[in-house]
Amino acid sequence: DTAVSQTPKYLVTQMGNDKSIKCEQNLGHDTMYWYKQDSKKFLKIMFSYNNKELIINETVPNRFSPKSPDKAHLNLHINSLELGDSAVYFCASSQFGQGAFFGQGTRLTVV
Amino acid sequence: QKEVEQDPGPLSVPEGAIVSLNCTYSNSAFQYFMWYRQYSRKGPELLMYTYSSGNKEDGRFTAQVDKSSKYISLFIRDSQPSDSATYLCAIRSGATNKLIFGTGTLLAVQP
Repeated sequence: DTAVSQTPKYLVTQMGNDKSIKCEQNLGHDTMYWYKQDSKKFLKIMFSYNNKELIINETVPNRFSPKSPDKAHLNLHINSLELGDSAVYFCASSQFGQGAFFGQGTRLTVV
Repeated sequence: QKEVEQDPGPLSVPEGAIVSLNCTYSNSAFQYFMWYRQYSRKGPELLMYTYSSGNKEDGRFTAQVDKSSKYISLFIRDSQPSDSATYLCAIRSGATNKLIFGTGTLLAVQP
């Protein structure tokens, strides 16, 4: 059973398009995250939700909009994609106060 | 000054060697410390989680925290080629659920 699963695994799209990445966790965790990993492997937090409530919103362009329909799901919608958005996006979940468990990542390439 | 500093390596060791990976952090409010392992094109995998100064051992892995020096370490005994990966330290304050990652150290264990 996959604990944190995200789809799609790969996403290639043109500049200016809108795309979504979906994430689901079956661990019963209260908190979910989106992280961005750049080409130098640096992981930077973008958003965090706790029980469907946004609790962390880093300085991310407002073209990025997270949505949490329930505590097991956290989706990421990106409008007007730019070349600089190319990266690997990771979803993660945790119980508050514990280490986070990560999905396998979505490799986004904007051409 | 970055909140978490980690030597990016790369670090190359012969099989069977003891590996030492290190991070320093700047904010004494950070209370929770984690080590992740990330294989190429995979998601980060939680290896160790600790919240107190001292050592925590799990098999060949030992996590060490020195809060007075704001220094954390991961030791890998009897290193194996399968340990070849990027190792990321992560820290969290007691007040938030925000995980802050180091830049990662690329480790290669040569057979």
